[in-house]
Amino acid sequence: EAGVAQSPRYKIIEKRQSVAFWCNPISGHATLYWYQQILGQGPKLLIQFQNNGVVDDSQLPKDRFSAERLKGVDSTLKIQPAKLEDSAVYLCASSLFSRALGDTQYFGPGTRLTVL
Amino acid sequence: AQSVSQHNHHVILSEAASLELGCNYSYGGTVNLFWYVQYPGQHLQLLLKYFSGDPLVKGIKGFEAEFIKSKFSFNLRKPSVQWSDTAEYFCAVISNRDDKIIFGKGTRLHILP
Repeated sequence: EAGVAQSPRYKIIEKRQSVAFWCNPISGHATLYWYQQILGQGPKLLIQFQNNGVVDDSQLPKDRFSAERLKGVDSTLKIQPAKLEDSAVYLCASSLFSRALGDTQYFGPGTRLTVL
Repeated sequence: AQSVSQHNHHVILSEAASLELGCNYSYGGTVNLFWYVQYPGQHLQLLLKYFSGDPLVKGIKGFEAEFIKSKFSFNLRKPSVQWSDTAEYFCAVISNRDDKIIFGKGTRLHILP
């Protein structure tokens, strides 16, 4: 089965510019997650969607980050304007069920963002 | 808040050595436990997981982990490592308290040929 797809794989921008990342989850997976992984740390959850509704966005910096999941399938994560500290790998993951407990998340290859 | 601690940030071993990577978590309720691996240039992959039942879990590529509830631990083991095990290993926990996955900071494993 096809895995989680993400694009682009790499992005370099200057601070104050905007950027968008795209994710296509595994077919049939109800839940989609966006994580931020800063160098030397583990992934940190930014936002969780169940179908096209937001379940948890408590750690999303909403003044500059936004995300949507149209029609409960693909998702985009946007940063506007970017700051230096946003340099990280942005990971998308999906899982079959609506609850994280008892389920397994499958990760995409990530987008490595460098903000200059 | 729930947390996950991985004791070793960087481990260097020779091929055929035995491996044990430590992982401790802070929450005492119902938990799911995971080890993910990230090989150089590749994405995070599931190595093994514990949901319930036998606390000794076997995963892919000869890895295993033991859930010790009294110690809040889920250490990863492999009796004989190979050069191809060079990767970064992440322990992760989901609890029934907040239903979100929390990752440790990762252990970078380097196997000398």
